[in-house]
Amino acid sequence: NAGVTQTPKFQVLKTGQSMTLQCAQDMNHEYMSWYRQDPGMGLRLIHYSVGAGITDQGEVPNGYNVSRSTTEDFPLRLLSAAPSQTSVYFCASSRDGMNYGYTFGSGTRLTVV
Amino acid sequence: DAKTTQPTSMDCAEGRAANLPCNHSTISGNEYVYWYRQIHSQGPQYIIHGLKNNETNEMASLIITEDRKSSTLILPHATLRDTAVYYCIVRVETGANNLFFGTGTRLTVIP
Repeated sequence: NAGVTQTPKFQVLKTGQSMTLQCAQDMNHEYMSWYRQDPGMGLRLIHYSVGAGITDQGEVPNGYNVSRSTTEDFPLRLLSAAPSQTSVYFCASSRDGMNYGYTFGSGTRLTVV
Repeated sequence: DAKTTQPTSMDCAEGRAANLPCNHSTISGNEYVYWYRQIHSQGPQYIIHGLKNNETNEMASLIITEDRKSSTLILPHATLRDTAVYYCIVRVETGANNLFFGTGTRLTVIP
C-alpha cells in the first residue's frame, strides 16, 4: 500500500515549457486534490475531483489543467510554465471527503526559470 | 468556512506539554475543528478533530471551549520530531471544496 505517490520529486522548467505532475493513489479514494505551497505560506487549493470524470476549480486554478479519467490518477498539467508557478505542489486524496481523512503525497518541488 | 487565528510561532521544551491555541470566534454550529501538521518539506498530516467535546487520540488532545470560539491542541510530551507547522482548520464535516490551510503556528521543540 503506497498511499499517495507524486512524481517527479523535483523539476526545473524553462518559461513557456509544459509538463505534467503525476499523482497516483492506491487506496481507492474518490476525492483527490492539488495544492501549491509558496515559501512561508499555507497550502492553496488549485483543483479537485470528487470522482472519475468530475473535476472543479479551487482557489488558484489559473495556468493549470486537470483531468480524472481513472479513480487512481489525477495529473496536473502546466500548459505554459511561468516563474510565478515556482512552488511546491502537493496532491491529496480522501475516501469520502471527510476532512479528517486526507492523505497527502510527499510533494513535487517545481522551479520555473 | 469560519476564519481561524493562530500565533505565528511557539517554542516548547522537549518533554513538556505543547499547548497550541486557535481562535475561531465565527464558527458555526455544524463546523468542526481540525488540526493538521506539516513537518519540514513533507505533506500535511492529520492529527485530530472535534465538534464540541474534548477529544484525545494517540497523537494529541483537543480542548474546545464551551462556547466553541476557541480551542487548544495539546501535545502531552513534546519531542524533537514534533517540530512542525500546525494548522487549525474550521469547516463542515465533508465538502467537495476541500481543506483551506492558513499559515499555521510554527512549533519549535527545544532540547
